[in-house]
Amino acid sequence: QVQLVESGGGVVQPGGSLRLSCVGSGFTFSNSGMHWVRQAPDKGLEWVAFIQYDGTDGSEKYYADSVKGRFTISRDNSKHTLYLQMNSLRAEDTAVYYCAKRSYYYGSGSANHPYTWFDPWGQGTLVTVSS
Amino acid sequence: IQMTQSPSSLSASVGDRVTITCRASQSISSYLNWYQQKPGKVPKLLIFAASSLQGGVPSRFSGTGSGTDFTLTISNLQPEDFATYYCQESYTTPFTFGGGTKVEIK
Repeated sequence: QVQLVESGGGVVQPGGSLRLSCVGSGFTFSNSGMHWVRQAPDKGLEWVAFIQYDGTDGSEKYYADSVKGRFTISRDNSKHTLYLQMNSLRAEDTAVYYCAKRSYYYGSGSANHPYTWFDPWGQGTLVTVSS
Repeated sequence: IQMTQSPSSLSASVGDRVTITCRASQSISSYLNWYQQKPGKVPKLLIFAASSLQGGVPSRFSGTGSGTDFTLTISNLQPEDFATYYCQESYTTPFTFGGGTKVEIK
């Protein structure tokens, strides 16, 4: 079955760095766009970043404004692994970080703009930014 | 795009019909998904493209709407449905989620 397993979370001081990993299995990882989504303690969900499937330097990458310039999403398709490099961490980055697979379909009238959703999700990894 | 869910919480009884609304700040056609999250658990996809039921999700869940106004309806509420529900737009980045609706036991 499709499975995503995150790792790399932990406690880091403000201004510090951390790299999260997400290993995918049970699907063709190299053909799948991937997202990072986070959830601060007792708060709602916030999309963080997306990378398209090929992972080359020219591949599509998108970021939430709240992390742009500090976080970098990348992937190694040979290792079926998605990464999130987080630099200049702030207290407000404290959250459970989930990786999620981009799922999609082209409905009638959406030939150039598929319907997409996050599914499945990994179990999450907790990042705590605190001194 | 801002996504506004209402109510933020509600109390209901087993067997009730529950309706949660989600409003987008601009038209998003049918690019709207619904997720369920139980405490300490991973979000689970219920509905995609506004009204398409994800495989394995009970038919008591249904989604309607297009443009800016959407609803998630749970008919015949079951004990396992007590959770927090999120809408999410997939029209464009940043793929904004609504603030969530917590469904509690009355």
